[in-house]
Amino acid sequence: DTEVTQTPKHLVMGMTNKKSLKCEQHMGHRAMYWYKQKAKKPPELMFVYSYEKLSINESVPSRFSPECPNSSLLNLHLHALQPEDSALYLCASRRDVGGNEQFFGPGTRLTVL
Amino acid sequence: AQSVSQHNHHVILSEAASLELGCNYSYGGTVNLFWYVQYPGQHLQLLLKYFSGDPLVKGIKGFEAEFIKSKFSFNLRKPSVQWSDTAEYFCAVRSSGNTGKLIFGQGTTLQVKP
Repeated sequence: DTEVTQTPKHLVMGMTNKKSLKCEQHMGHRAMYWYKQKAKKPPELMFVYSYEKLSINESVPSRFSPECPNSSLLNLHLHALQPEDSALYLCASRRDVGGNEQFFGPGTRLTVL
Repeated sequence: AQSVSQHNHHVILSEAASLELGCNYSYGGTVNLFWYVQYPGQHLQLLLKYFSGDPLVKGIKGFEAEFIKSKFSFNLRKPSVQWSDTAEYFCAVRSSGNTGKLIFGQGTTLQVKP
């Protein structure tokens, strides 16, 4: 299994809703990442988890809350989002923080109404 | 701070034309360099990467890139593009000393006309 999976593929939510994005990999990778990507723009790093511990938070607003329950799973909990948070949310994983390239998932297309 | 600059924002080519997309980075130390492609509606895929060794790197789908350390460049090339190469192309750099953080360029939209 050499892929990163993300669910759901699409999500529409209101500004008062609470929802979660899920990312999973079974490659034994110990570094996992959340990125936000707007149309025609590069991915922007949000969070990095290394060995299930949060190692980087790129000054992301607290309405985004990451969680890494185990080495294969990464969640992003969403609450009280704004319409400008609408974007493609990408998850990625890497063998470990010092190794090789990142493998990206297909993303969750989020629309905040 | 590290940065990545892609000179061409939008490139339009006819099929069979040759392609070269520019990428320059600013970082004086050891870097790992990547080109990613994002086809319409699809996720990011790695085209090729450079870590060390031969500065001419061959990737998937006939792409190659040349690392020129003195110019801080990692340009992407393909001798003959196809309509299916229409996509967004991102250059990215990762310095050796950090926690694996990738710095992406702004991307180049390639449109290949049949």
